[in-house]
Amino acid sequence: KQEVTQIPAALSVPEGENLVLNCSFTDSAIYNLQWFRQDPGKGLTSLLLIQSSQREQTSGRLNASLDKSSGRSTLYIAASQPGDSATYLCADQGAQKLVFGQGTRLTINP
Amino acid sequence: KAGVTQTPRYLIKTRGQQVTLSCSPISGHRSVSWYQQTPGQGLQFLFEYFSETQRNKGNFPGRFSGRQFSNSRSEMNVSTLELGDSALYLCASSPYDRGGAYGYTFGSGTRLTVV
Repeated sequence: KQEVTQIPAALSVPEGENLVLNCSFTDSAIYNLQWFRQDPGKGLTSLLLIQSSQREQTSGRLNASLDKSSGRSTLYIAASQPGDSATYLCADQGAQKLVFGQGTRLTINP
Repeated sequence: KAGVTQTPRYLIKTRGQQVTLSCSPISGHRSVSWYQQTPGQGLQFLFEYFSETQRNKGNFPGRFSGRQFSNSRSEMNVSTLELGDSALYLCASSPYDRGGAYGYTFGSGTRLTVV
């Protein structure tokens, strides 16, 4: 049974910093890994998807990596902005469902 | 291109009542999944439909049911509502079974409050 963990649960950094969010999973037989952001009271917005055969994906200031051997994925955010404040969730596309971590609540302070 | 549309956005119901939530996927998407989000349990999978067939079901009581129509629109029904059913219900669509290289696109959710 796949379990996904995100640590820390909350993170607060000053504007302009580069930061890394972590995602760990117990089953290395990961299908694909998808990163989302969620603003308070809203739905999920897909940020990046890394297929199991890939090592990383990039979109703008975001870069996500996947290391199946260590059971880890990271989301790197460059030059953070106040608008990046949100909860970030990672999820494994398991057997016909997404298995989510609990999320990291990110606050970027101006 | 329209995104995933969920209706209604907000709903207040009384314990014991039943409720139906609706989800219209992105045009051309055949897979629709439902998730429940609560502060304590996070995001939990309810069920997935692909081409009108339920492909997978989460660990929820039988009071939670769903269906998918031939136009891929999906409905979720909760009968005999309990206070613990208060949550944000999210729908996700994908063109493929299991998400695949496209992944999933989520709607804005329906906020259900049971009083």
